Amino acid sequence: KNEVEQSPQNLTAQEGEFITINCSYSVGISALHWLQQHPGGGIVSLFMLSSGKKKHGRLIATINIQEKHSSLHITASHPRDSAVYICAALPHNTDKLIFGTGTRLQVFP
Amino acid sequence: NAGVTQTPKFQVLKTGQSMTLQCAQDMNHEYMSWYRQDPGMGLRLIHYSVGAGITDQGEVPNGYNVSRSTTEDFPLRLLSAAPSQTSVYFCASRETANYGYTFGSGTRLTVV
Repeated sequence: KNEVEQSPQNLTAQEGEFITINCSYSVGISALHWLQQHPGGGIVSLFMLSSGKKKHGRLIATINIQEKHSSLHITASHPRDSAVYICAALPHNTDKLIFGTGTRLQVFP
Repeated sequence: NAGVTQTPKFQVLKTGQSMTLQCAQDMNHEYMSWYRQDPGMGLRLIHYSVGAGITDQGEVPNGYNVSRSTTEDFPLRLLSAAPSQTSVYFCASRETANYGYTFGSGTRLTVV
């Protein structure tokens, strides 16, 4: 069993829909990162969370430390949101990120 | 523009050849790291550094060497390339543990 699991693996949506991507992890962590990988391959850091909730534009990330679970939400999705979204856990007392395998999102007009 | 610069963007090697993937950042970040990305496997940590002169192994270090002689540069050396090292390689940096990561644009390496 992977230490970081994401669901779903693939997701399709119509423009305007509310999107949720889930991430569960099995290790104690100091932070949880959400990344976006564009179709061209570039990777961008979206959020770093250690507790609670963060919002940036139409993106919202939440984390529940007790349940070892994080979610990434996209409100009013748009075709430009089409990308692979990756969560990565940073265990306590280490700098070794552990990655989920990603969720491929396609948003159609 | 400030950021993480990786070179080359593409490389084809023959089995047994050696090469160095370059990674440089101009943000004075202490932490730098190398990852490989393979289909169906996600990103995996190869080596990382928490500052000049300090390096440590990640999840998949075999076949790779690193050094960190300056804050800016963190080269990844393939000693004797193997087809199993065909992958896309990403370098990343961050200022401290309280910040997110900045990724380079990647190097697509094919070993034939």
